Amino acid sequence: DGGITQSPKYLFRKEGQNVTLSCEQNLNHDAMYWYRQDPGQGLRLIYYSQIVNDFQKGDIAEGYSVSREKKESFPLTVTSAQKNPTAFYLCASKSGSAVSFSGANVLTFGAGSRLTVL
Amino acid sequence: SQQGEEDPQALSIQEGENATMNCSYKTSINNLQWYRQNSGRGLVHLILIRSNEREKHSGRLRVTLDTSKKSSSLLITASRAADTASYFCATLPMDSNYQLIWGAGTKLIIKP
Repeated sequence: DGGITQSPKYLFRKEGQNVTLSCEQNLNHDAMYWYRQDPGQGLRLIYYSQIVNDFQKGDIAEGYSVSREKKESFPLTVTSAQKNPTAFYLCASKSGSAVSFSGANVLTFGAGSRLTVL
Repeated sequence: SQQGEEDPQALSIQEGENATMNCSYKTSINNLQWYRQNSGRGLVHLILIRSNEREKHSGRLRVTLDTSKKSSSLLITASRAADTASYFCATLPMDSNYQLIWGAGTKLIIKP
């Protein structure tokens, strides 16, 4: 079955450490996204990517980095520069352009990764 | 700042009753989407309604859009325990070509 796989589901990090969250999709979607979700708030966009080797910053990119070496994969690194990294991280993808949301071009989400800083 | 704001923040009803959630937004939109999130899971798309549409149906779901009031409502009829989840609206502002703006969600609890 097609879908998005995020790993790990739970991750604990010590302050000062970088961690990488994995996101893999087999939907043949071009656009991929990383969102951060905090309790009582809406999703906030960290980064998005339209094609391989290209990605754009969202509203809260500081302290995060991404890569898009393969169409299927869009890993997110939470660096030590991110001051408050404890959150639920969601990866999503969609067909078509990253800058067009209409009709069937809606987001498909992974199950999320919960990062806790100790 | 948040574009979409859901109301109420939390809603608890008996199984079989109808549940209504509202979403208000600030700027003109291209479309508005509703998503569901079960606890600790990813979001699932429910319905997309375009700015020139007033109502859409999908099974037990009915979405309305009032662009003059900048608001939308999601109605779930004959609720079931499995409908227990958080519901989010996301808007695509007219002047944005890439970013959905998300509300904080309504937490719906269906009591058996």
